[in-house]
Amino acid sequence: AQSVTQPDIHITVSEGASLELRCNYSYGATPYLFWYVQSPGQGLQLLLKYFSGDTLVQGIKGFEAEFKRSQSSFNLRKPSVHWSDAAEYFCAVGSYGGSQGNLIFGKGTKLSVKP
Amino acid sequence: ETGVTQSPTHLIKTRGQQVTLRCSSQSGHNTVSWYQQALGQGPQFIFQYYREEENGRGNFPPRFSGLQFPNYSSELNVNALELDDSALYLCASSLDGGAQFHGYTFGSGTRLTVV
Repeated sequence: AQSVTQPDIHITVSEGASLELRCNYSYGATPYLFWYVQSPGQGLQLLLKYFSGDTLVQGIKGFEAEFKRSQSSFNLRKPSVHWSDAAEYFCAVGSYGGSQGNLIFGKGTKLSVKP
Repeated sequence: ETGVTQSPTHLIKTRGQQVTLRCSSQSGHNTVSWYQQALGQGPQFIFQYYREEENGRGNFPPRFSGLQFPNYSSELNVNALELDDSALYLCASSLDGGAQFHGYTFGSGTRLTVV
């Protein structure tokens, strides 16, 4: 079955420091990949998505992600973190439906930002 | 363009009771999916409705049921509530079931607490 692994449950970075959140996927075909962000008590907002072409994709709020097929990874990065980036981040892979649904999510990485 | 709206935002129910959660999809979207997000977990697919028909179901028991109406709004019904049903329930809409390509638009969710 398809799956998504986010190895880091919780990450703390200082404001202004760079950020990288890891995501590994297991999928039999060319994957469609997504990063979502969830602020406390809120739904999920799409940050960026990848489905073909340039392996470095740009998203909203200054985030970018790089698709590496050889490593089955789709890591999220930001050069300089702002306090407002504190939230939970979910990586997801698009699936052709079935019992897992259209999107399969990782368990998330909670980001804390130190002043 | 309106987003996805869910009601109520919070709900407390007693074990054994029944609950109905409501969702209005984003304008122009004809597909609604429901996800359950337990504390500290990523969203888990419950089911999807496309043009008023169930179009995929996750590993949830039959006491989880749904409806989609001609205006593409949707309901999630849960019978015989159990303590483990306590979670954030997320409604997500997409066009023509294409969430695996384009992602979803999520609502802010309904926080259900079963006591």
